[in-house]
Amino acid sequence: KAGVTQTPRYLIKTRGQQVTLSCSPISGHRSVSWYQQTPGQGLQFLFEYFSETQRNKGNFPGRFSGRQFSNSRSEMNVSTLELGDSALYLCASKELPNTGELFFGEGSRLTVL
Amino acid sequence: AQKITQTQPGMFVQEKEAVTLDCTYDTSDPSYGLFWYKQPSSGEMIFLIYQGSYDQQNATEGRYSLNFQKARKSANLVISASQLGDSAMYFCAMREGEWRGYSTLTFGKGTMLLVSP
Repeated sequence: KAGVTQTPRYLIKTRGQQVTLSCSPISGHRSVSWYQQTPGQGLQFLFEYFSETQRNKGNFPGRFSGRQFSNSRSEMNVSTLELGDSALYLCASKELPNTGELFFGEGSRLTVL
Repeated sequence: AQKITQTQPGMFVQEKEAVTLDCTYDTSDPSYGLFWYKQPSSGEMIFLIYQGSYDQQNATEGRYSLNFQKARKSANLVISASQLGDSAMYFCAMREGEWRGYSTLTFGKGTMLLVSP
């Protein structure tokens, strides 16, 4: 069974631009979560989606958004990029929101110049 | 206040020795779960072990065991017989609430473990 796949793995953007990151969960998994990992703040929860609906949201500004498609794939978008948005963005999936283990992808490493 | 505290930024251990990674937590919720994840340089977070707040026994998974001391609010990870492949960042995490499977985890800052030959 393929794991959680995130694309792109690496990307470089400049301040003010926007970025879209993609996550394909493990087959059969319907819940997708996103985390941001930075050296200063560590790992922080961004949001969780299940059945195309956002179930939970972390403490991030409105520039951070996401969505989930009917095939459970998810995208997150960051608009008006700031230098502080440079981070590893990790996607995780599980079968259902309230059961099962959380499986992470390898992340998308975003650098904002 | 931090909810998950990992006081060891880095740990060194020789191959085949045991090592304990510390984790203390803070919650007022009577139902919670504690997780340990391993993050190698590739970036992927690998689930290692889980302990529920109501579990009577300490969790074990192969070479990993969790030393759960509820009164002290500690959940230390013990790795027995360390291997070179164990070199990685280790994160302690907690979810608060009834269900084990909640996706919203609070992570500690992590401990970098280096295993030497």
